[in-house]
Amino acid sequence: QSVLTQPPSVSGAPGQRVTISCTGSSSNIGAGYDVYWYQQLPGTAPKLLIYGNSNRPSGVPDRFSGSKSGTSASLAISGLQAEDEADYYCQSYDSSLSALVFGGGTKLTVL
Amino acid sequence: QVQLQESGPGLVKPSQTLSLTCTVSGGSISSGSYYWSWIRQPAGKGLEWIGRIYTSGSTNYNPSLKSRVTISVDTSKNHFSLKLSSVTAADTAVYYCARGLGWSGYLRFDYWGQGTLVTVSS
Repeated sequence: QSVLTQPPSVSGAPGQRVTISCTGSSSNIGAGYDVYWYQQLPGTAPKLLIYGNSNRPSGVPDRFSGSKSGTSASLAISGLQAEDEADYYCQSYDSSLSALVFGGGTKLTVL
Repeated sequence: QVQLQESGPGLVKPSQTLSLTCTVSGGSISSGSYYWSWIRQPAGKGLEWIGRIYTSGSTNYNPSLKSRVTISVDTSKNHFSLKLSSVTAADTAVYYCARGLGWSGYLRFDYWGQGTLVTVSS
C-alpha cells in the first residue's frame, strides 16, 4: 500500500476537465514537502509533468496544472484530449520513512 | 540533451545479485548538482524509489531495500550502477535510471532511461 493515496482510475470525455487527487499525511505532503506529478504513457518511461506543486517544465501544455493544500495535492487536466490517456503518479518525500515516495498511480481513460 | 540508458542482464537467478548500469550521454555525470537515481516498477504496479547517488558520491537508499542495495558511480565511464543482492521473484520489475534535480527531499526526476526488464527466475 502506497504512502500517497491516489484513485485507481478516473475518466472524462474529450474537452472535459478531470482532477486526480494525491492524499498524504503529516510526514510527507503535510510536512511541507513538494509534490511532483508524472505522466506515463503505455510502454514508456514516466515524464515529469509538474514540479514544486504547481510548476510546469518547458514543453508541458498549460492544460495541466497542479495544486497543494494541507496533506493533499491535485493534478487537473483541462480540455481533455485522447493523447492524455495514461497513468499518472504523484511523488513526494516522507520524513518518517526517510524515502522518496510515489502514489499508487491513477489510470486516466478518455471516453 | 541528456540521455540515460540502462543495461544489464534481463534474467537473474533467485538469491543472486542483480547488476545494472546506467550510461549518461549529453553531459558529464560529475558536473552539476544532480542525484542519479534508480526506480523500479513491477508489471502492472506503481513506481518504487530504490536509491540515489549524489554528484559527490554520497548515497541514500530506500530503507525497505537498504540492506541489499549498493549504488556506485564511475565518472571515467560516465555511468552509475545498481547492485541488488539476494533477489527473489518480488524483485522482478522494469528498472529505470533517472536524473534527480533539486536537493534532499525536494527532488524531481527530469530525465529517465527507457527502462529495462529484469526477471528473477531459475
